[in-house]
Amino acid sequence: GAVVSQHPSWVICKSGTSVKIECRSLDFQATTMFWYRQFPKQSLMLMATSNEGSKATYEQGVEKDKFLINHASLTLSTLTVTSAHPEDSSFYICSAGPPTSGANVLTFGAGSRLTVL
Amino acid sequence: GDSVTQMEGPVTLSEEAFLTINCTYTATGYPSLFWYVQYPGEGLQLLLKATKADDKGSNKGFEATYRKETTSFHLEKGSVQVSDSAVYFCALSGRAAGNKLTFGGGTRVLVKP
Repeated sequence: GAVVSQHPSWVICKSGTSVKIECRSLDFQATTMFWYRQFPKQSLMLMATSNEGSKATYEQGVEKDKFLINHASLTLSTLTVTSAHPEDSSFYICSAGPPTSGANVLTFGAGSRLTVL
Repeated sequence: GDSVTQMEGPVTLSEEAFLTINCTYTATGYPSLFWYVQYPGEGLQLLLKATKADDKGSNKGFEATYRKETTSFHLEKGSVQVSDSAVYFCALSGRAAGNKLTFGGGTRVLVKP
C-alpha cells in the first residue's frame, strides 16, 4: 500500500535556527500533500496544503514566512520552520494520497517531533 | 465551518469490554466520515470510513455508522484487546474541501489486561 515517510522523526534545535522536515511518498506520486501540527494531547491542525510545482496554500492563522513549504517534486514536500522558537515545539505530520485512490484516502507519515530549546 | 466533536478521554477499559467513542459533526452538505487510529509512536492510520448516510464502516472488529439525522459517527467495538490501546480520531472531509480533513480532539483508550 501507499507509504509516506517523514524525516527526521525527532529533532532538537536551538532557538533562532531553522529546521527542515521532509515528507516523501515512497511508492506513489503525490501532487498534493498536507502538513498538520499536533500539540500534546490535542488534535491535528491543518497548517497548509502543499501543491507540486506551485505555492502552498496556508490555513488561516498560519505564518507562511515562519513555515516555508516547498513541493519541488511529485514525491517530496519539505516544511522548514524558520527562526524556530520554543513555541514552535510540536509534532508535525504530513499526509498524501495517490491521485487514483479517490477522494479522501490519505496516508499519514509517522510524524516529526520538533523540540526547540 | 466544519467541526468534529468527540468524547474526551482517557477511556480505561478491561480486556474484552465493550468500547464506544462518541463523535458528532457539523458540516455543510454530506461529508465523508472517518476514524483514524494512532498507536504509540506511530503515525495515523485509517481505521474505517463511510461516505454517505447509513453507510457502516468496519475494520478490525470496529464499526461506525454514518447517522445523518443525528450527525453522528460513533465508534464501537464489542470486545477490546490490549493491542487496541491507542488514540482514536474522528474526522470528516467536506465535499468542497478536497482531501482536507477536519479532526476531532482525539480520544485516548487504554485497555488493561
